[in-house]
Amino acid sequence: EDKVVQSPLSLVVHEGDTVTLNCSYEVTNFRSLLWYKQEKKAPTFLFMLTSSGIEKKSGRLSSILDKKELFSILNITATQTGDSAIYLCAVEAGTYKYIFGTGTRLKVLA
Amino acid sequence: NAGVTQTPKFRVLKTGQSMTLLCAQDMNHEYMYWYRQDPGMGLRLIHYSVGEGTTAKGEVPDGYNVSRLKKQNFLLGLESAAPSQTSVYFCATRDGGTGLYEQYFGPGTRLTVT
Repeated sequence: EDKVVQSPLSLVVHEGDTVTLNCSYEVTNFRSLLWYKQEKKAPTFLFMLTSSGIEKKSGRLSSILDKKELFSILNITATQTGDSAIYLCAVEAGTYKYIFGTGTRLKVLA
Repeated sequence: NAGVTQTPKFRVLKTGQSMTLLCAQDMNHEYMYWYRQDPGMGLRLIHYSVGEGTTAKGEVPDGYNVSRLKKQNFLLGLESAAPSQTSVYFCATRDGGTGLYEQYFGPGTRLTVT
């Protein structure tokens, strides 16, 4: 059975801290791994990763994939209160089939 | 461009009532999905469609039906609502073909069944 597991489930940090969110997966027919940020409403796309070892960056956020060990990490440096959200990891397992993890709820305190 | 929209935003139903949730997109995407999101369970796929006139079951299809009569619309129906269907429902779309694409999500519909 395909599955995606995220850890930790929740995290509370102070502004300026660096956080690392984890996503491990076991799927057949891996195509890509995606990270989304969900604030109050719709998840919004952050990154798509397909190749091991190639870091994707966007401002203070970065992510990398390890296809041998079957996991990905999402790093956020110099966190801000606006980073407070649920971060979702999803794996595309076969064309148009996406498996989601339960998410990591991040709260950044001022 | 509105992107992906969902109607209604909120709804309260009594057990046994029926309703239809509408998802509309203006991105000309082939693939459309309905998910439900419950605390501690992530997003679970209810039904999906790979094109106009086609639908398929996802992970948790029981108690729901769908239709995709037009490419831009994907309807989710609850024929006889149950309290277990209290959830937040998200529609998502994706471009077609065998390339690698992300999904785009609607703002969600919060449904409570009493």
